[in-house]
Amino acid sequence: DIQMTQSPSSLSASVGDRVTITCRASQSISSYLNWYQQKPGKAPNLLIYAASSLQSGVPSRFSGSGSGTDFTLTISSLQPADFATYYCQQSYSTPWTFGQGTKVEIK
Amino acid sequence: EVQLVESGGGLVQPGGSLRLSCAASGFTFSSYWMSWVRQAPGKGLEWVANIKQDGSEKYYVDSVKGRFTISRDNAKNSLYLQMNSLRAEDTAVYYCARDGIVVVPAALGGRYYHYYDMDVWGKGTTVTVSS
Repeated sequence: DIQMTQSPSSLSASVGDRVTITCRASQSISSYLNWYQQKPGKAPNLLIYAASSLQSGVPSRFSGSGSGTDFTLTISSLQPADFATYYCQQSYSTPWTFGQGTKVEIK
Repeated sequence: EVQLVESGGGLVQPGGSLRLSCAASGFTFSSYWMSWVRQAPGKGLEWVANIKQDGSEKYYVDSVKGRFTISRDNAKNSLYLQMNSLRAEDTAVYYCARDGIVVVPAALGGRYYHYYDMDVWGKGTTVTVSS
C-alpha cells in the first residue's frame, strides 16, 4: 500500500497568512493526488484534484503543486472559513490512502 | 441538486452485521464508480471500498476484506455496504462518496490519463460496535 505522510500535523496561523501543507507519498504517484478540507462534524470537501487542478467552486486562494512523491497545498491568504483539517489522498492505486491530516488552527 | 444520503448505521455487538445504504440523486448514478470512506472517532479518513459502474469490479482495504461487501443497484440509484463480523475497530462514521474522473490526453502517444477523486460526499452514518 502507498503511505501518505503530511506535515505538519497541526499549525497555528493568523487571518491573512500564507499557509503551506506538504504531503509525501511512499512511492511515485505521478499527479494522482487530491486535497480535501474537513470541518468538525462535516463531510470532507474536495479542494484540489490531479495535484494542481482547482475543484469548481473552490476559492482561488487554494492551490496545489507537485508530482511524483512530493506535493504541496497552499492557501495564499488564510480566511476565517479556512480553519479546518486538510487531507491529501492518492488515487494512483487501490487501496486509496489518505494522509493523517493537518489541522489549521487560529493563532 | 447532486446529493448522497447514507442510512443504516447504529449500535451493533461485536461479531454482528449491519447493512449501510446510500441513496444518490441529481446525477446519473450508473455512470460513476462509488466509494465508501470511514472515519473513526477523533481519527483521520480511511477509504474502505469502491465499485465500478456496473458492479463488475470491487476493491477493498485489507482490514475489511472478507468481512465487508460493497454492492450497488443502479435501478434504485443506491449503493450498499454489507458489514459482517464487525469489530470494535470498525466503529466510525461511514461516508458514501462519488468517484469523480477527469480524463486528460497525454502530450504524446495518444494515451489518456484517468484522474480519480471523490467529488461528492454524503453527510455520513454512524456505526458503533460495542457490547
